[in-house]
Amino acid sequence: SAVISQKPSRDICQRGTSLTIQCQVDSQVTMMFWYRQQPGQSLTLIATANQGSEATYESGFVIDKFPISRPNLTFSTLTVSNMSPEDSSIYLCSVERGGNSEAFFGQGTRLTVV
Amino acid sequence: AQSVTQLGSHVSVSEGALVLLRCNYSSSVPPYLFWYVQYPNQGLQLLLKYTSAATLVKGINGFEAEFKKSETSFHLTKPSAHMSDAAEYFCAVSVGSGGGADGLTFGKGTHLIIQP
Repeated sequence: SAVISQKPSRDICQRGTSLTIQCQVDSQVTMMFWYRQQPGQSLTLIATANQGSEATYESGFVIDKFPISRPNLTFSTLTVSNMSPEDSSIYLCSVERGGNSEAFFGQGTRLTVV
Repeated sequence: AQSVTQLGSHVSVSEGALVLLRCNYSSSVPPYLFWYVQYPNQGLQLLLKYTSAATLVKGINGFEAEFKKSETSFHLTKPSAHMSDAAEYFCAVSVGSGGGADGLTFGKGTHLIIQP
């Protein structure tokens, strides 16, 4: 398994500001993933973060809005930039381990934009 | 690209009754399939996974799922529902080649309600 810590666990932010979410894993992983879960919805993959290279974004997500850092094999950050109320969601960090695509998730960051 | 369809956004069963949550997938290559559970205000927890070994997969908390390639299904069942099973359940598919390079594609989720 994997222990994943996300900070902050929740935040209320003003529109137009930015929030950086941190994800710390208890051991080294190659790939880290960021998901968004909008209210009452399922999870949608935002991007894949590989250490030492640019993150790969899914359709509908762009680097200017969701810049990602991956400075080492145990840590990543996701920034939600220039926030609007539509960005209110739970953001989850995930890693895959076990050779069978098994994913482990952090507890998530509940973001409310007012 | 792969996709997942969960039939029924809400399923209600009586305590002690059979739980059946439906999941159908679409994938052009052999998939890895997962069921996750999300309790209120908590993160996701893996219930079980199919990784091309046994087609009947047993998971935690008495849940199991059967992979049926001919039906492209991976339905989740539990013989007897418990009040503590009330939660959101997500079916997910991955086509990563073991390295998990593709992330997961999730279904929309099914909210399981347990009636006393």
